[in-house]
Amino acid sequence: GAGVSQSPSNKVTEKGKDVELRCDPISGHTALYWYRQSLGQGLEFLIYFQGNSAPDKSGLPSDRFSAERTGGSVSTLTIQRTQQEDSAVYLCASSLGGVAYEQYFGPGTRLTVT
Amino acid sequence: GIQVEQSPPDLILQEGANSTLRCNFSDSVNNLQWFHQNPWGQLINLFYIPSGTKQNGRLSATTVATERYSLLYISSSQTTDSGVYFCAVGQAGTALIFGKGTTLSVSS
Repeated sequence: GAGVSQSPSNKVTEKGKDVELRCDPISGHTALYWYRQSLGQGLEFLIYFQGNSAPDKSGLPSDRFSAERTGGSVSTLTIQRTQQEDSAVYLCASSLGGVAYEQYFGPGTRLTVT
Repeated sequence: GIQVEQSPPDLILQEGANSTLRCNFSDSVNNLQWFHQNPWGQLINLFYIPSGTKQNGRLSATTVATERYSLLYISSSQTTDSGVYFCAVGQAGTALIFGKGTTLSVSS
């Protein structure tokens, strides 16, 4: 079946602009995660949606970052007033349930802020 | 929070050699996954193994949850095995915490 998809695959934006990144999880997966991988940094958690529960936003690095998940499926990560330090690969993952379930990752969106 | 340490950080092998990658974690977990990140950045699922032993072709993994470590074995390595191997763990109510990875280079 189809895996996790993300769009765009690459995004170049100017400092100060807003960007939106999209994630389509595997059909039937109730949990959706956003992670970020920066040069020289590991993979870090950003935000976690599980069913209809309030999302876990504890990993968001600043209030310029927000995310929503519509209809329990597609998710959009929004970064406002982008900064150069936001340049990274943004990865989305989904799983059948909570953290105890295997997570499957999308191909990522490479964001470059100039 | 939980700490995840992977070793070695870098590994250089000749094709055909065997290797063992280690992942230590600091607390009990209910999820442990091994990933291979290919040169295009895609994270490929290798094993979901919070405990026990699994094998898939030339790869196998063992997690000893009571001693808080996991091992990934690669036998008869091939150049296509090159890349970064990540261990990631999860606890109830948290997302995955990733180690810093082991960079494997296999030469022919």
